[in-house]
Amino acid sequence: EVQLVESGGGLVQPGRSLKLSCAASGFTFSNYYMAWVRQAPTKGLEWVASITNSGGSTYYRDSVKGRFTISRDNAKSTLYLQMDSLRSEDTATYYCTPDFGYNPYWGQGVMVTVSS
Amino acid sequence: IQMTQSPSLLSASVGDRVTLSCKAGQNINNYLAWYQQKLGEAPKLLIYNANSLQTGIPSRFSGSGSGTDFTLTISSLQPEDVATYFCQQYNSWTTFGSGTKLEIK
Repeated sequence: EVQLVESGGGLVQPGRSLKLSCAASGFTFSNYYMAWVRQAPTKGLEWVASITNSGGSTYYRDSVKGRFTISRDNAKSTLYLQMDSLRSEDTATYYCTPDFGYNPYWGQGVMVTVSS
Repeated sequence: IQMTQSPSLLSASVGDRVTLSCKAGQNINNYLAWYQQKLGEAPKLLIYNANSLQTGIPSRFSGSGSGTDFTLTISSLQPEDVATYFCQQYNSWTTFGSGTKLEIK
């Protein structure tokens, strides 16, 4: 059974940093591109970043370029999202998901609140 | 690529045939997925490549369309289908529609 367990969220002040983790199991993590997708409260879904299976290439939406860094540790089957210079508009639930283009599996999500 | 879903809210009766629409701002070929999100839960993939049913999803769900116009159909609405439904294009990067909230009348 595929499991994706996100952690590391919380309340943070604007301008500060936070690092999310996603522990994956039930599939061969190192074979798949991975992505972070977020959802602001009562809003729709928004792709944030993706990473190739080797970690050699990364992709970001324009609004987080230069502030967020996606990375992975295939030995630990773990995906990360380092979020720096956080803004109020980054407030959302962040989901970890395999990136097939579409997203077949989702974690339960982790809430990030950016507020003073 | 802009994805436009309609209607934003749909109310239907148990047993009804329900149709949800998703229009892309440009041709996305068949790179279209549908998700179901129940209140407080993560999204669940229903359909990918416009008309391929994800494993484990009931056969009352089906997808159709090509190019810019796509449809998700529920052949006989069940109470457990109350949810918000999102479409997603993955032809050029990826973008999601704003969702259709489905209620029971």
